[in-house]
Amino acid sequence: DQQVKQNSPSLSVQEGRISILNCDYTNSMFDYFLWYKKYPAEGPTFLISISSIKDKNEDGRFTVFLNKSAKHLSLHIVPSQPGDSAVYFCAASVGAYSGAGSYQLTFGKGTKLSVIP
Amino acid sequence: DTGVSQDPRHKITKRGQNVTFRCDPISEHNRLYWYRQTLGQGPEFLTYFQNEAQLEKSRLLSDRFSAERPKGSFSTLEIQRTEQGDSAMYLCASSLESTEAFFGQGTRLTVV
Repeated sequence: DQQVKQNSPSLSVQEGRISILNCDYTNSMFDYFLWYKKYPAEGPTFLISISSIKDKNEDGRFTVFLNKSAKHLSLHIVPSQPGDSAVYFCAASVGAYSGAGSYQLTFGKGTKLSVIP
Repeated sequence: DTGVSQDPRHKITKRGQNVTFRCDPISEHNRLYWYRQTLGQGPEFLTYFQNEAQLEKSRLLSDRFSAERPKGSFSTLEIQRTEQGDSAMYLCASSLESTEAFFGQGTRLTVV
């Protein structure tokens, strides 16, 4: 039973346009959500996070939106750059934001983003 | 200290052999995690330490797997009697109590 789902295995976007990566979750206990970026042969790199008390968090070109009622989050990258080409993982945890949790992360399967120059 | 360090980066072993991986976390981080990632999947949680105490273990961590973190610093993950199904990328991560986890580059294990 996959608790975090990324239904698009891949996405291609033109350089300068917006990239939108989607993620759905089923566990209503999740209260902290993160996006990681992964290049081949490297470990995941933290990108941006959002707690369940917010519906939006922005950091430069990256914005994460959370819709708790729909159990859906999305990552927007504007403008997209060729260096953004990587696999993006959505992850979720219970209690991590409050410090009560362990940061045991549940990951989706990832979406491979290709930004075309 | 520039990040989480894992050794070796690659390991090829014959089925039935034992292997041990090492992880050096970011020095001030008290939490340390092991994850496993297979092809086409996201990382899956294996186990977690707070300082030297192993606080959580996934059911993925069979009896052939053991992890230690003596003195709350580096950690080792040992797999005994390896099987072909153990072939995967083994990822270590560390964090402070209320910060994001930072991952190492991983150890790729191939069991032949």
